[in-house]
Amino acid sequence: AQRVTQPEKLLSVFKGAPVELKCNYSYSGSPELFWYVQYSRQRLQLLLRHISRESIKGFTADLNKGETSFHLKKPFAQEEDSAMYYCALQNTGGFKTIFGAGTRLFVKA
Amino acid sequence: GAGVSQSPSNKVTEKGKDVELRCDPISGHTALYWYRQRLGQGLEFLIYFQGNSAPDKSGLPSDRFSAERTGESVSTLTIQRTQQEDSAVYLCASSSGSSYNEQFFGPGTRLTVL
Repeated sequence: AQRVTQPEKLLSVFKGAPVELKCNYSYSGSPELFWYVQYSRQRLQLLLRHISRESIKGFTADLNKGETSFHLKKPFAQEEDSAMYYCALQNTGGFKTIFGAGTRLFVKA
Repeated sequence: GAGVSQSPSNKVTEKGKDVELRCDPISGHTALYWYRQRLGQGLEFLIYFQGNSAPDKSGLPSDRFSAERTGESVSTLTIQRTQQEDSAVYLCASSSGSSYNEQFFGPGTRLTVL
C-alpha cells in the first residue's frame, strides 16, 4: 500500500540552525515526491518537487530510493520558514496523491 | 486570474442531514482533487477527476460520499446522512493535465456535524 510517513509532528529550531524534516514513503512502483507548505493563514502550496531537482527558498530534498526517503533540508533556518510542511507521493501515472500527516516547523529567534 | 475557490467556507449541519460542497477549479485545469483533513491530521485523498477519464474514487470512505464534475469545471462533493466523524476541512485542488504537476489548493470548507 502507498504510504507517506512524517515521524515528527513538531520540529523546533533556532534561527540560523540547520533543519531537516523527515519523510519516508512506501510504494512498490516508481513514485514522484513533493513537498507542500502551508504558512499561517495561507493556502497549501507547492514548495518543491523531486522531478524538477530544484531548490526553493534555500530548501532542497534528495530522493533516496534505498532508504525510501525524501527528507527536506535547509542549512540555515529563518523565522519566515515557520509553517506546516507536508510530504506527498504521486503514483505512476501521476495523479493520485498521498500526503503525510505533516510536520510543524517552528523557527525561534 | 482567480485561484481555486470553494463554497461554503463553513458549514454546520445536524447528524443525518445531507451536505453539498462546491469547488471551482482554475480555468483550463483538467485535473481536480478532493481531500479531507481531520483535525491534527494530514490530507486524506478522496477522489480525483482527470479530463474525460473515469474518476479515481478509491479514497472515498463510504458510499455516503460521492462527487461529480461538470466537464472540466465545477465539482461538487456530496455527503449523505452525515455523521460526526465526517467533521473535517474538505480541500479541493486543481492542476493542469500533465502528470506530476503542481496542485493548486482552495481555501477549504470546514464542515461541522453536530
